[in-house]
Amino acid sequence: GAGVSQSPSNKVTEKGKDVELRCDPISGHTALYWYRQSLGQGLEFLIYFQGNSAPDKSGLPSDRFSAERTGGSVSTLTIQRTQQEDSAVYLCASSPRWSTTYYEQYFGPGTRLTVT
Amino acid sequence: AQRVTQPEKLLSVFKGAPVELKCNYSYSGSPELFWYVQYSRQRLQLLLRHISRESIKGFTADLNKGETSFHLKKPFAQEEDSAMYYCALSYSSASKIIFGSGTRLSIRP
Repeated sequence: GAGVSQSPSNKVTEKGKDVELRCDPISGHTALYWYRQSLGQGLEFLIYFQGNSAPDKSGLPSDRFSAERTGGSVSTLTIQRTQQEDSAVYLCASSPRWSTTYYEQYFGPGTRLTVT
Repeated sequence: AQRVTQPEKLLSVFKGAPVELKCNYSYSGSPELFWYVQYSRQRLQLLLRHISRESIKGFTADLNKGETSFHLKKPFAQEEDSAMYYCALSYSSASKIIFGSGTRLSIRP
């Protein structure tokens, strides 16, 4: 079946603009995760959804970042008033259940965001 | 705080040589450790997890709680092993995975 998809694949935006990044998880996966991969850095956890609720928002770097998930499926990560330090690859992953111990996370191809 | 350290940004070895990618973690409880791999132009994917005690594509990793390490090993490297490798940590009460900064493995012919 289809894997995790993300759109757009690339996004170039001007500093100060808002951007929306979309993630379509694997059908039936209840857990959804957002990560950020900056140049030379590892993957930084941003937020996690179980169904439509986000029990763990601890990784969001500032209040300019927000995310939502509707219908237990599609998720949108919104970055307001983008800054150059927001430039990174944003990865989405989904998993059948929330337990990272027992359930593999399946990653999407990522969205490369460049803020000029 | 939980942390994963991969001290080598780049590791280059000859085909047929042994490979060891180092990973150290900090966590006071019982961790779950993983290795993820990203081949060129492909998605990040799970390679192996310590709980399964499995060997995937000839790679193995042993959790050493005394040294807080989870090094990834392969006795004979192959060219197709060239990729970016990430060590990662989770724990029973967590709903997220903490990743290291990654090691790029390059296999020379």
